[in-house]
Parts: sequence; structure tokens; C-alpha cells
Amino acid sequence: DADVTQTPRNRITKTGKRIMLECSQTKGHDRMYWYRQDPGLGLRLIYYSFDVKDINKGEISDGYSVSRQAQAKFSLSLESAIPNQTALYFCATSDPPHEQFFGPGTRLTVL
Amino acid sequence: AQSVTQPDIHITVSEGASLELRCNYSYGATPYLFWYVQSPGQGLQLLLKYFSGDTLVQGIKGFEAEFKRSQSSFNLRKPSVHWSDAAEYFCAVGSEKTSYDKVIFGPGTSLSVIP
Repeated sequence: DADVTQTPRNRITKTGKRIMLECSQTKGHDRMYWYRQDPGLGLRLIYYSFDVKDINKGEISDGYSVSRQAQAKFSLSLESAIPNQTALYFCATSDPPHEQFFGPGTRLTVL
Repeated sequence: AQSVTQPDIHITVSEGASLELRCNYSYGATPYLFWYVQSPGQGLQLLLKYFSGDTLVQGIKGFEAEFKRSQSSFNLRKPSVHWSDAAEYFCAVGSEKTSYDKVIFGPGTSLSVIP
């Protein structure tokens, strides 16, 4: 079984809809991250969490929110999706120092 | 500002040929350096990492990378490329001095392998 799973793997939605992307991990790591990937831009950090009560904004958090329901679960929400949020989204976990373990990604298309 | 550059957006090599992917970074602190590979439809997988010590680092799948502080580079190499190496490769840099596991990723280099 995969250590970091993401659901859904693909999602097509319309502008203005609320979307939730879910991430679960069995690695037992406290630290979890959400990134988005755009062609030519690499990965950019949206939010990160060190534990259930510690959530922090990354470099591109506008338009996104997160929830850390448990050590193993970290969800990303788009309250009102817009087309420029079309991207590939990755969840990751880490155990210091710094090595991150990635999920398979969610491809989101906003029409 | 902290940054990671990968000068080559796309590289094509023949199977069996050698490979070098370039990575340069700008980072004020002692860097931690990583190379990740992303196969189509997959997440990122760590190939290798450098924290300290020997500047030539061995990774999985026959890859190696060399840290050159004077050139602010961490180039990835493989002596003989296999068709299964076709993927996107990301260089990344972090630092022990950051208060969290902030890792900055480069834009990626897409590798195509010709049979």
C-alpha cells in the first residue's frame, strides 16, 4: 500500500465551486505539506502543518484553506475555484531533516 | 533571494549515453540539496540527497550528484541512460537554518530517451 495517498486523482469542476482534496499518510510523520505544480514553475508550497494544531501558510496560500483532521490526514480546500487554480496538486510528508515523501498527485481542472 | 535554477528545460539523450542535468542554487545558508524524479502520472521520488560530508553522492537507479560549493551547483549524472529514465527531474534545496522543512524546488528538466 502507498504511504501517501491522495483523493481524488483527477477532478474537473466549474468556476465558483467548492473543492476539497484529501491526503492520508501511513508513515507516521507529523509534518505534512500541500504543493501545486505548474509547468515550468516547479512545485510551490501552499500550506504546511507540523502537527494537528500547527498550520502555516506557504508562498501561495491565497484562495486555499486547509484542515488537519488528524496526524494522518491533511485536506486542501478551494472555497471558490477559479480557472488559474487548474494545476497538479501534491501532498507530502516529512520526517526531519527535510526529506519529503510525496503522494501521487491530484490533477484539478477548473472550467 | 533563495532560488534554484535548472538551465535545461528539456534534454533528449540516446539510450546508453551518459547524462548530466544541471542545477544551480542561490541560498544564504549551508544548503541541503536534493534531486527528485517524477515519472508520468506519479508523485516525486527522492533520487539522492546531500547534507554534509563527501561531495559526491550516490543515489538510487544508478544516479550520482556532485556538490560544488564554489560553483553553487549540484549536477546530477548517470553514466548510461535507460529508456525507463525518461521523466521529469527536480533539483531542490533546503537549509538547516530554516525553522521548518522549507524546500525550494527548481522548475524541472524533462528528459526524453531515444531508443
